Amino acid sequence: DAGVTQSPTHLIKTRGQQVTLRCSPKSGHDTVSWYQQALGQGPQFIFQYYEEEERQRGNFPDRFSGHQFPNYSSELNVNALLLGDSALYLCASSTLRTSGRNTGELFFGEGSRLTVL
Amino acid sequence: GQNIDQPTEMTATEGAIVQINCTYQTSGFNGLFWYQQHAGEAPTFLSYNVLDGLEEKGRFSSFLSRSKGYSYLLLKELQMKDSASYLCAVVFVGGGATNKLIFGTGTLLAVQP
Repeated sequence: DAGVTQSPTHLIKTRGQQVTLRCSPKSGHDTVSWYQQALGQGPQFIFQYYEEEERQRGNFPDRFSGHQFPNYSSELNVNALLLGDSALYLCASSTLRTSGRNTGELFFGEGSRLTVL
Repeated sequence: GQNIDQPTEMTATEGAIVQINCTYQTSGFNGLFWYQQHAGEAPTFLSYNVLDGLEEKGRFSSFLSRSKGYSYLLLKELQMKDSASYLCAVVFVGGGATNKLIFGTGTLLAVQP
């Protein structure tokens, strides 16, 4: 049973460029959340996708956008990269409870480490 | 707001007991997780509390007081491998079909011989 997989694991970009990060959730999970983790900090919530729609969003600018596909996989896109976007980007998957509220445990991928020069 | 506060760093001795505290704003609260994160790795699940009281799982225990907006993670019989960052994360009720999980900054625990 594959866990959460992310690609690429590492990448280097320059300021102003665009990047796309990819995530496949754990088997049986339908909800994907994205987090940004700067060095020495806790993960910061970017947004969450369920049923191919953005359901929740953190305090991130519109340069950060995403998508969820019918197979539940997801992409995170960041446009006009800034030096401050350098971080570990974590994808986490979970499943919506029958109650209709997602309070399930998050399973994290190993992350994509982005360096912006 | 959805502020979550926990100490930045702690140091403890191998074999000892350490308690890591976490406070949060209670509005919209719908559960609390503790995660462990070793350097360069993804966070891994330790515990989940949604009702008041203590949840024990081996050497690790987690406590929750919803009225006080307070939780702690208790680590017993510390081992060197317990050196890691411990993340407190709170589930806040969302406006749509789902809730969101918000993390604190993490507590970096150093276990010394």
